[in-house]
Amino acid sequence: GIQVEQSPPDLILQEGANSTLRCNFSDSVNNLQWFHQNPWGQLINLFYIPSGTKQNGRLSATTVATERYSLLYISSSQTTDSGVYFCAVEVNRDDKIIFGKGTRLHILP
Amino acid sequence: DTGVSQDPRHKITKRGQNVTFRCDPISEHNRLYWYRQTLGQGPEFLTYFQNEAQLEKSRLLSDRFSAERPKGSFSTLEIQRTEQGDSAMYLCASSARYNSPLHFGNGTRLTVT
Repeated sequence: GIQVEQSPPDLILQEGANSTLRCNFSDSVNNLQWFHQNPWGQLINLFYIPSGTKQNGRLSATTVATERYSLLYISSSQTTDSGVYFCAVEVNRDDKIIFGKGTRLHILP
Repeated sequence: DTGVSQDPRHKITKRGQNVTFRCDPISEHNRLYWYRQTLGQGPEFLTYFQNEAQLEKSRLLSDRFSAERPKGSFSTLEIQRTEQGDSAMYLCASSARYNSPLHFGNGTRLTVT
């Protein structure tokens, strides 16, 4: 089956810093999503981005489907950005959605 | 749009007992997914439905696990003869259709003693 690898596994930054999280996948995908899991465990959908670039406030994401990777950019980090960021992919129309192991981000005040 | 609702939020049970969880997806969402998450891991796929049809079930799932989605609305996940290894957060998610964003509920935390 498809492999989804996220890097780095852990990231500690000072408030105000910028960061780039990466998601590599081993096969062509039909869609890719980024999620944030907050310290209380709630998973929030950040981006649905099978290809191209999207921006939402301080967050943006780019997926280069032909090269099998996606990047999540967080600018001017805030403590509320702390948590775990997951990417998830779906290969074919009736396939399951598979998650990576996540990047744990800790923003220091 | 009230979001994905899961019940109960927490469940403590003794080994060997059966448990059932419920998930109410966002209204008119056709796809419904069940995942399991343990500490420090990403969500692990269990099964998913397109309307009332169960399209795929993880090979990791033993015969003790069963899920239903009668009439394509809410879904239930039952675990029979629970084991301590079943302790985890059970997450439900829904999407409007294929190729649309996935939305998660708050999960049901199961503890098997």
